[in-house]
Amino acid sequence: EPEVTQTPSHQVTQMGQEVILRCVPISNHLYFYWYRQILGQKVEFLVSFYNNEISEKSEIFDDQFSVERPDGSNFTLKIRSTKLEDSAMYFCASTLWGRTGANTGELFFGEGSRLTVL
Amino acid sequence: GENVEQHPSTLSVQEGDSAVIKCTYSDSASNYFPWYKQELGKRPQLIIDIRSNVGEKKDQRIAVTLNKTAKHFSLHITETQPEDSAVYFCAASRSGGYQKVTFGTGTKLQVIP
Repeated sequence: EPEVTQTPSHQVTQMGQEVILRCVPISNHLYFYWYRQILGQKVEFLVSFYNNEISEKSEIFDDQFSVERPDGSNFTLKIRSTKLEDSAMYFCASTLWGRTGANTGELFFGEGSRLTVL
Repeated sequence: GENVEQHPSTLSVQEGDSAVIKCTYSDSASNYFPWYKQELGKRPQLIIDIRSNVGEKKDQRIAVTLNKTAKHFSLHITETQPEDSAVYFCAASRSGGYQKVTFGTGTKLQVIP
């Protein structure tokens, strides 16, 4: 069964450093997302991406964050200058929405990338 | 923006009993309401969803109900089993789900054998 894959599974970084989290969405999906989950808390929307541009972003997704789809398969989240409060599990997700009759709205999540900022 | 409230935050039930988790939402334009199960250290996984044109949906031991007028929706798990122990998140979204999904705060369900 196709899966969303994420790398790295865990990254430890120093405050102020740049981090890039990578995702490979399911190949025939059209919408891509990043969500984050601070330990023990709810899942929070960061950004959605469609047709090579951001379609929506939350107030969390400030100028320190950026997303990119550098090729036909990868989808990346960059944090330019990490802060302690960026420590969280970052989930990439994709959905099939856009193909007539095929979408259920289900978000398919990757296993997550745990970011620890020291 | 959308705000989803969920309760209870923790729920303990005996194996075989039923569990009910309730959510409310604020955005009357929301029309897609998924429920996700997250086991410890794992990714959230969809267990059931309901759209605003339906009042109830059932899949084996789980069912969801939706009251659009009151902006309430609920998850019912019958005949609970230890493997049902997890954190459950309700969520809401506009436009069938391709727009952002707003999650509730989660309910930690413990099924006691």
